[in-house]
Amino acid sequence: QVQLVESGGGVVQPGRSLRLSCAASGFTFSSFAMHWVRQAPGKGLEWVALISHDGTNKYYADSVKGRFTISRDNSENTLYLQLNSLRPEDTALYYCARSAMIVAVMNPDYWGQGTLVTVSS
Amino acid sequence: EVVLTQSPGTLSLSPGERATLSCRASQSVSNSYLAWYQQKPGQAPRLLILGASSRAAGIPDRFSGSGSGTDFTLTISRLEPEDFAMYYCQQYGSPWTFGQGTKVEIK
Repeated sequence: QVQLVESGGGVVQPGRSLRLSCAASGFTFSSFAMHWVRQAPGKGLEWVALISHDGTNKYYADSVKGRFTISRDNSENTLYLQLNSLRPEDTALYYCARSAMIVAVMNPDYWGQGTLVTVSS
Repeated sequence: EVVLTQSPGTLSLSPGERATLSCRASQSVSNSYLAWYQQKPGQAPRLLILGASSRAAGIPDRFSGSGSGTDFTLTISRLEPEDFAMYYCQQYGSPWTFGQGTKVEIK
């Protein structure tokens, strides 16, 4: 079955960096676009970034553009999110999620359980 | 950016009742990319509806989606105890955006 397991979260000071990982299994990772979505404590969902199945196209929310970088290693079935210049408002549970259709960019269907990033001095 | 506005913010209903949730877009969105999600406390979102009206795999038929253009609706025909949760709509309009959510609570 499809499994997505995020890791790499933690407590970090403002201005510092963090790299999140998402290990995928149970499907052909290289055939699906992937999303990162975050949720601040007690708040709603916010889409963060998307990468195409082959890594050639990347899209970002305005709130993270220029600070976050999405990437993937299809040989390792792993999705990444590099978070730089972190701000307190980046504090959230970060989910990775799979696009709902093979190759095409679609809304997410399967989601991981998330990894918590806390930005605080 | 397309803004999705969900209403009502909270819906207080009893099991067995019908729930009607609205998602209104600030500009026309493609039906192909309008989705609905359910989220329970401490859990990841669960895809319910894709393409405005297609149920995702394993979703009971009491859940249905409809609408086009700027107005979309999620209907739960008869609420089961496990349906009390938060519901979000999402669209793809460069960028992807979510509505702020509707909480369906037990009356």
